[in-house]
Amino acid sequence: DAGITQSPRYKITETGRQVTLMCHQTWSHSYMFWYRQDLGHGLRLIYYSAAADITDKGEVPDGYVVSRSKTENFPLTLESATRSQTSVYFCASSATGEETQYFGPGTRLLVL
Amino acid sequence: GQQLNQSPQSMFIQEGEDVSMNCTSSSIFNTWLWYKQDPGEGPVLLIALYKAGELTSNGRLTAQFGITRKDSFLNISASIPSDVGIYFCAGINYGQNFVFGPGTRLSVLP
Repeated sequence: DAGITQSPRYKITETGRQVTLMCHQTWSHSYMFWYRQDLGHGLRLIYYSAAADITDKGEVPDGYVVSRSKTENFPLTLESATRSQTSVYFCASSATGEETQYFGPGTRLLVL
Repeated sequence: GQQLNQSPQSMFIQEGEDVSMNCTSSSIFNTWLWYKQDPGEGPVLLIALYKAGELTSNGRLTAQFGITRKDSFLNISASIPSDVGIYFCAGINYGQNFVFGPGTRLSVLP
């Protein structure tokens, strides 16, 4: 199916482990985004990418790494997971940086 | 940076009632968007507004782009149980990052 997908949908990991969250879109959108959603904070931008091999920090980038070797994929890596990174992570894409963003279903991450 | 405020933060209404919520900012935006997030899902676009003063409907939903370009409003008529969720506004200012509001959490009582 066309659209934007995220995997895994649920993940439990331990403090200090590396975790990678995947995001894939089939629209050939140039822009892709990673947000985290926590109670009381709404959606906060972690990183975004304007095109393959171009990434930039958002509001809360510390502890995260991204890459974009292909237009359709935008993985988010937690190099050494911490309990404060327990959250729901949403990936989004848009044709340009000034157009509507379309969201994936989210990944629920629990760091023990 | 630019910030959006949404009010109310949460609301409990009776099924069948109309709902009004708004989104305000101290900055001007060129585009306003309204999203709904169902429990356990990602935000889904409801309405997009591109011009100051624009009034757009999508079924029982009506949204308006404020004349000052610093605010937007969303109304839901005759609420039903499936309207439950979090409603986010978002603003786009050309050349700037996409900005989300903190959301309005809607609960509909039968």
